Amino acid sequence: GESVGLHLPTLSVQEGDNSIINCAYSNSASDYFIWYKQESGKGPQFIIDIRSNMDKRQGQRVTVLLNKTVKHLSLQIAATQPGDSAVYFCAERQGAGSYQLTFGKGTKLSVIP
Amino acid sequence: NAGVMQNPRHLVRRRGQEARLRCSPMKGHSHVYWYRQLPEEGLKFMVYLQKENIIDESGMPKERFSAEFPKEGPSILRIQQVVRGDSAAYFCASSPSVAGGTNEKLFFGSGTQLSVL
Repeated sequence: GESVGLHLPTLSVQEGDNSIINCAYSNSASDYFIWYKQESGKGPQFIIDIRSNMDKRQGQRVTVLLNKTVKHLSLQIAATQPGDSAVYFCAERQGAGSYQLTFGKGTKLSVIP
Repeated sequence: NAGVMQNPRHLVRRRGQEARLRCSPMKGHSHVYWYRQLPEEGLKFMVYLQKENIIDESGMPKERFSAEFPKEGPSILRIQQVVRGDSAAYFCASSPSVAGGTNEKLFFGSGTQLSVL
């Protein structure tokens, strides 16, 4: 079964607010996590990644937090913009040497102008 | 530097026909992965290939599906005798040739939407 899942299937936020998208995983052996953004009709676009030996990583307007104790991953988007509207997927690699990424079902983020 | 190129973008087939999906990885990438996505679902791993070798096909159905990545030319995902349940978006991804064969930072193409009538 799925080992990666999301708490909220849809999220609506006001433009300019911060967005938080959550993801739970169940495999404690997973060592690498990625967030992807997928716009309608397009392929997933890499946003940010984090290894299991870290608990926080920041990019441009995005931050990923990893809590290995509760097997939880989150993506924070600062000052959300209309262009951020998309489906966001978390994905995990289940251990070093694994070739597969396991994706969650996705959260649809809608930004209200 | 062109990204991962997939064609066709849309493919319509009748039940029983064959579907061929093509993927050209990013320049310098020698690792190719195929994923399938059903509506409102996450992507599901199908197969991982390097040039002329299938490394992991554990996510690919044993029958009717095959994949190749020849020495020259694009990677091909082939579905024989398609059925309606094969209708999905098929995404190809590539990664650079990295020591250890990791698949970090996959770069995805725009996908092929297969519709089986």
